[in-house]
Amino acid sequence: ILNVEQSPQSLHVQEGDSTNFTCSFPSSNFYALHWYRWETAKSPEALFVMTLNGDEKKKGRISATLNTKEGYSYLYIKGSQPEDSATYLCASPSGNTPLVFGKGTRLSVIA
Amino acid sequence: NAGVMQNPRHLVRRRGQEARLRCSPMKGHSHVYWYRQLPEEGLKFMVYLQKENIIDESGMPKERFSAEFPKEGPSILRIQQVVRGDSAAYFCASSPSGTSGYTFGSGTRLTVV
Repeated sequence: ILNVEQSPQSLHVQEGDSTNFTCSFPSSNFYALHWYRWETAKSPEALFVMTLNGDEKKKGRISATLNTKEGYSYLYIKGSQPEDSATYLCASPSGNTPLVFGKGTRLSVIA
Repeated sequence: NAGVMQNPRHLVRRRGQEARLRCSPMKGHSHVYWYRQLPEEGLKFMVYLQKENIIDESGMPKERFSAEFPKEGPSILRIQQVVRGDSAAYFCASSPSGTSGYTFGSGTRLTVV
């Protein structure tokens, strides 16, 4: 069974700080890595889909990197704002199977 | 484009009753996935359907739970004879192919009293 791990479980940062968190996944039989942003009382919203080793994607102040050989991805947020407060999920399929999600990193940005 | 529509948003059932959760995928999406979120847990995969076919139901309990995605109409997740442990948020997602990113609905929060 594919196991996707995220750390830390939760994170509190001051407004303006930059932060990052980690997603670990099995490096064998890698297919793709997805990042989602999940605000309280809303539905998860897709951020990135990454497939190639060394991939780097960016959306505004949020970026992500992928290392498929060692089985990890980092999500970075530059200059955190209160509206960045959310749970950030990563997920990976095993081949053509449905996405397996990590438990998420809950980010709180304090004004 | 209305996105993925789930209804009802909240559902209260007494123990032993049936719960029916509906999911209409995004227009053009033929792949539907159901996930369950238990308190303090992440999203757990339940079942993956493509029009009229169950592709993968490995995450769905063998008893009391069933899912369908008919040719016409929404996908239905059905829970018979609900128990308190079924209380959770149930999320549906859809995608245009089995390898694309997912679009999620807002979820149905089931409470069994």
